[in-house]
Amino acid sequence: QVQLVQSGAEVKKPGASVKVSCTASGYIFTNYGITWVRQAPGQGLEWMGWISTYTGNKIYAHKVQDRITMTTDTSTSTGYMELRSLRSDDTAMYYCLRTYNRNSDYWGQGTLVTVTS
Amino acid sequence: QSVLTQPPSVSAAPGQKVTISCSGSSSNIGNEYVSWYQQFSGTAPKLLIYDYNKRPSGIPDRFSGSKSGTSATLGITGLQTGDEADYYCGAWDSSLNGYVFGSGTKVTVL
Repeated sequence: QVQLVQSGAEVKKPGASVKVSCTASGYIFTNYGITWVRQAPGQGLEWMGWISTYTGNKIYAHKVQDRITMTTDTSTSTGYMELRSLRSDDTAMYYCLRTYNRNSDYWGQGTLVTVTS
Repeated sequence: QSVLTQPPSVSAAPGQKVTISCSGSSSNIGNEYVSWYQQFSGTAPKLLIYDYNKRPSGIPDRFSGSKSGTSATLGITGLQTGDEADYYCGAWDSSLNGYVFGSGTKVTVL
């Protein structure tokens, strides 16, 4: 069965960086892209970007494009999302999604990133 | 402020029907496929509807999607207490070159 398993919760200080991983199983990793979405406490969903696991092409949301890097490791079927210069409003649950033709059908369990001094 | 507009909440009695609207523009809903996601409290969202009106395997036909112009609608018939959740619409936006979500609608079963 398809699974996306994300790394554990993180607590970071303002200005630090965080790198969240997303390990896929149950399908051919390079047949689907990886999308990252976040959700601040009590808020809605925010798209952060997408990466092709086949070509490495990326599209980042304008809001975070200067601070974010998405990568993949096809040898381990893992996607990564690094966010730098963290601020308190980056505190959120971060999700990875399996994506094909802009449709995202499976979500990871989420990784809580808390930014606090 | 979300690019796609949804009502904050809708409610109905068990067995009744609810509809959730998602209003956008020609750069998103008008020319791009819409998806709908269901999120129970404390859990990750789940895909309910994609490409306006298609259901992934395992999603009951009580859930349906439609589109008219620059708006999309999610319908839930035979409402059950287990349908109480937040529902989000989403679509690609060609002007923003990114994916956009609605603000979410909370469904309450009376």
